[in-house]
Amino acid sequence: AQSVTQLDSHVSVSEGTPVLLRCNYSSSYSPSLFWYVQHPNKGLQLLLKYTSAATLVKGINGFEAEFKKSETSFHLTKPSAHMSDAAEYFCVVSEGLTGGGNKLTFGTGTQLKVEL
Amino acid sequence: GAVVSQHPSWVICKSGTSVKIECRSLDFQATTMFWYRQFPKQSLMLMATSNEGSKATYEQGVEKDKFLINHASLTLSTLTVTSAHPEDSSFYICSASRLQETQYFGPGTRLLVL
Repeated sequence: AQSVTQLDSHVSVSEGTPVLLRCNYSSSYSPSLFWYVQHPNKGLQLLLKYTSAATLVKGINGFEAEFKKSETSFHLTKPSAHMSDAAEYFCVVSEGLTGGGNKLTFGTGTQLKVEL
Repeated sequence: GAVVSQHPSWVICKSGTSVKIECRSLDFQATTMFWYRQFPKQSLMLMATSNEGSKATYEQGVEKDKFLINHASLTLSTLTVTSAHPEDSSFYICSASRLQETQYFGPGTRLLVL
């Protein structure tokens, strides 16, 4: 069985300061891990994915995440927050290599608020 | 590339009626499509997985007679909510993948049952 825990339901940062959204996972197999972003009343956009290649994954819009097997973590970071980053972020795990045909398990989400 | 559309984006219907939601992969052939449901301020819950030309596989607790899924072609899947009730009001999101590649998500359909 696989599961994902997003440790913070809400994170608030000031514009221009770093962002850290925390995610821990549990999986019986070598997992694939993803971060998706959802803006209000919109679908999900893939930010980045880890599929057993490099442990530091760079995504779109300046986001990156590091896979740490020893800590079962996949935290999302960005050096400098922008107002447009305000959204809901989901950490997702799949037991398949790519998450394509395999079931995705979503975390409960972290609402990121960016203040001036 | 990898664009998934949903239609309609919003639908309001009366209790007891049926509603059909379409999910299309616009620039790739989707061998697998997924349907999710999202309640306000909650995460996405997988409802069912459908492979083109096969019957959908439903998650535990999802009524297959109520949520009819058809995946008749490699670019189209439909979700029909039959005899809709107010508790079916939700945000329905589909995703599509080609072979074993990454899932790409549609923009979602908001259903309100009065």
